[in-house]
Amino acid sequence: SQTIHQWPATLVQPVGSPLSLECTVEGTSNPNLYWYRQAAGRGLQLLFYSVGIGQISSEVPQNLSASRPQDRQFILSSKKLLLSDSGFYLCAWSFGIGRASSGNTIYFGEGSWLTVV
Amino acid sequence: GIQVEQSPPDLILQEGANSTLRCNFSDSVNNLQWFHQNPWGQLINLFYIPSGTKQNGRLSATTVATERYSLLYISSSQTTDSGVYFCAVDLGGSNYKLTFGKGTLLTVNP
Repeated sequence: SQTIHQWPATLVQPVGSPLSLECTVEGTSNPNLYWYRQAAGRGLQLLFYSVGIGQISSEVPQNLSASRPQDRQFILSSKKLLLSDSGFYLCAWSFGIGRASSGNTIYFGEGSWLTVV
Repeated sequence: GIQVEQSPPDLILQEGANSTLRCNFSDSVNNLQWFHQNPWGQLINLFYIPSGTKQNGRLSATTVATERYSLLYISSSQTTDSGVYFCAVDLGGSNYKLTFGKGTLLTVNP
């Protein structure tokens, strides 16, 4: 079966410091990978998605970037954090096109709480 | 882009009560999922239901794609059902980019 893990679970960082959140998926190959952010007010916003190694699409302009150095690894980064970057970050995966056996279901990791102070 | 509206925004129930949560969307969709976010923040898949009806224990869901809405039914609610329930949709294509509603915050009191 497939599993997804992201870390760290919680992070308190000063303004202007760098950020690195990491996510890995096990049990499948060539998954689609996603980073979402949930700010106060509950809504989830898609930040980045990737359909393959080195292929990153950004949904919103922001202070963050994403990279996919390996097939099942997705990293969210920032060079200099802003207060507005605080929030709950969720990594997610789905089967790649044509490989979904149960529909286009997206599965989420445990999430990372980021507080920028 | 596609709009997803959930109602009610907040719901308080006594244990054992039944409830219906609604999700309206503004365009034809290829994918619709219901999630439950527990108090620790984790998003749990409940249903993948772009159309039709599905049931899983005390939970069931119905999507009427032609009328652009989906309903999530919770019967005999338990305190562990508390949390935020999200509906999410995508328009199709290869990338499965879900657009989320703002959720329904459900509180089940003992």
